[in-house]
Formats: sequence, structure tokens, C-alpha cells
Amino acid sequence: DVKVTQSSRYLVKRTGEKVFLECVQDMDHENMFWYRQDPGLGLRLIYFSYDVKMKEKGDIPEGYSVSREKKERFSLILESASTNQTSMYLCASSFSQYEQFFGPGTRLTVL
Amino acid sequence: GESVGLHLPTLSVQEGDNSIINCAYSNSASDYFIWYKQESGKGPQFIIDIRSNMDKRQGQRVTVLLNKTVKHLSLQIAATQPGDSAVYFCAQGSNYQLIWGAGTKLIIKP
Repeated sequence: DVKVTQSSRYLVKRTGEKVFLECVQDMDHENMFWYRQDPGLGLRLIYFSYDVKMKEKGDIPEGYSVSREKKERFSLILESASTNQTSMYLCASSFSQYEQFFGPGTRLTVL
Repeated sequence: GESVGLHLPTLSVQEGDNSIINCAYSNSASDYFIWYKQESGKGPQFIIDIRSNMDKRQGQRVTVLLNKTVKHLSLQIAATQPGDSAVYFCAQGSNYQLIWGAGTKLIIKP
């Protein structure tokens, strides 16, 4: 069964802190994605990766960076968290061009 | 820019009735469209997809209709059940990415 896991379901951080969100998939998928989800805005793509050590900017990369050192793991980094980064963060992976499998999400609150 | 929009943010349906969730899209060059279901506290789950060379595709209790002339996509759920309560997202494929709509919340009335 397809499995995408995220390191935390809920996270509370303070403004200025460095935040790491981890995502692991066990399906040997090439592609991995990070989204943020805010009410009324749907899912917005932050970064994605087609292969190990490769990354591409999505629609809203500002304030974020990513790391993909291993095929199964894709990390999202907030270098200096700000209150406007309070959101639900969703990780996904895919083998095919478009069908993506999602993790349960991390609800991040920045105080 | 590209956008995918939904006609209604909330849809209330009587249990047992059919549900129709609508979606408008703007990028006529997309060749792929997909519907996801997101239950409370979970990530989105794939429901059904359709390529642009088709106008209808059926799954188990769900049907997706694609009208390229008016750039409209719909998801039909037959005999709606309480477990169908969720937010439904349409998305269109473009440049190997998905462009997402804002979502429609489906509420089932007993």
C-alpha cells in the first residue's frame, strides 16, 4: 500500500526559528512535492523534485528551501519562520506525470 | 495566469441523492484533469482522472465529465453516502505540475 509519511502532524514554532519538515515515501517514486494549503486558496506548490539532489521552484518558493539527499526523503526548510508561514503543509510523491499521493499533512503554527 | 475555479464553495446533498461538483478551468492546453477528495485531518486522495481526448470516465459510484468547449469539469457521485463528506478538489495538469482549484465542501444531510 502506498505510504507517504510526514514527521509531525502539529508543530508550533516561534518567529525567526529554523523549521524542518520531513517527508518520506516508500514507493520508490521519482517525483516529490511540497505544498501549502490555506482556506479558500487550494493547494499551492512550494517546491518539487524530480530526482535526488534536484529541485525546482513552484509557485511560492520565497522563504522556503528544500533538500533531497535520498530518493525517499524530501525535506522542506523554513530558514527563519514568520507568522505568514502558519499553514498546513502537504507532501506528495508520484511516479506518473500527474497522479500524486499525499501524506497526512503538518499543521504549522508560527507565533 | 492559469487558474482553476470552482462554482460553489459548499454543496449540501441529501443522503442517497446524486451529487454534482463543478469546476471551471482556464488553461485549454491542459491534457489531464484530476479529482481529489480530502477528508478532515487527512491529505487529499485520488478519486478519478480524465485525459483531454475523453469526455467521460466512470469509476465506482463516480463519473467525471469534461466539456472542453466551455472548459468545464464535473464530478458526479451516485447515491451519496455519509462517507462522501469531504472537500473535493479539481486540478489540471500543466507542465508536469497540477494546478489546483480552491475546493468544494460536500455536506451530506441525513
